Amino acid sequence: SSELTQDPAVSVALGQTVRITCQGDSLRSYYASWYQQKPGQAPVLVIYGKSNRPSGIPDRFSGSSSGNTASLTITGAQAEDEADYYCNSRDSSGNHQVFGGGTKLTVL
Amino acid sequence: QVQLQQWGAGLLKPSETLSLTCAVYGGSFSGNYYWRWIRQPPGKGLEWIGEINHSGSTNYNPSLKSRVTISVDTSKNQISLKLSSVTAADTAVYFCARELASRDYFYGMDVWGQGTTVTVSS
Repeated sequence: SSELTQDPAVSVALGQTVRITCQGDSLRSYYASWYQQKPGQAPVLVIYGKSNRPSGIPDRFSGSSSGNTASLTITGAQAEDEADYYCNSRDSSGNHQVFGGGTKLTVL
Repeated sequence: QVQLQQWGAGLLKPSETLSLTCAVYGGSFSGNYYWRWIRQPPGKGLEWIGEINHSGSTNYNPSLKSRVTISVDTSKNQISLKLSSVTAADTAVYFCARELASRDYFYGMDVWGQGTTVTVSS
């Protein structure tokens, strides 16, 4: 399969923990990377590999993976975390990239 | 600090060819990188268009493969995208991005261009 599936929308209370998931067969073979996108801006890498954060990404962002599901967890969500989040990975053939449909995170 | 700066025509007519360039500044162009093009139609999600790696090998989205060409000019540190026979469905913001990879381990697209809005309209 070349698809990654995400919930379209998730909400979280300020300061609480939220998990955003991404499902796809290719995730059994490849790690997902996660991107945050705010309106009018280019996406920003927040997690890659097993659970690696690029420099400058707060440690409240973490990643995990189990079977065909990758997860992005924000522990203690802040107002500035409100954004669209996309997962991305290689597809099962290993020759193409694929994005999930995106999850709109609302911080209440 | 590596930056990607992209440019190209922003308004096209149906059947024309989209042509965008992405220049790499402030860092090495060589190395085990994948140079990618991604697009985002208005109000929609991200779509991978294709990529070229350090060896010059290309991979394309199967849904666009017949119309897409990605190439690299190492002398100018530039990556190019051409998409032929455009239609209104190709209207989108187009991004270039870089990802480091080692065999089957990918380090994420850590640097992105600023995006170029391309509108296809008669």
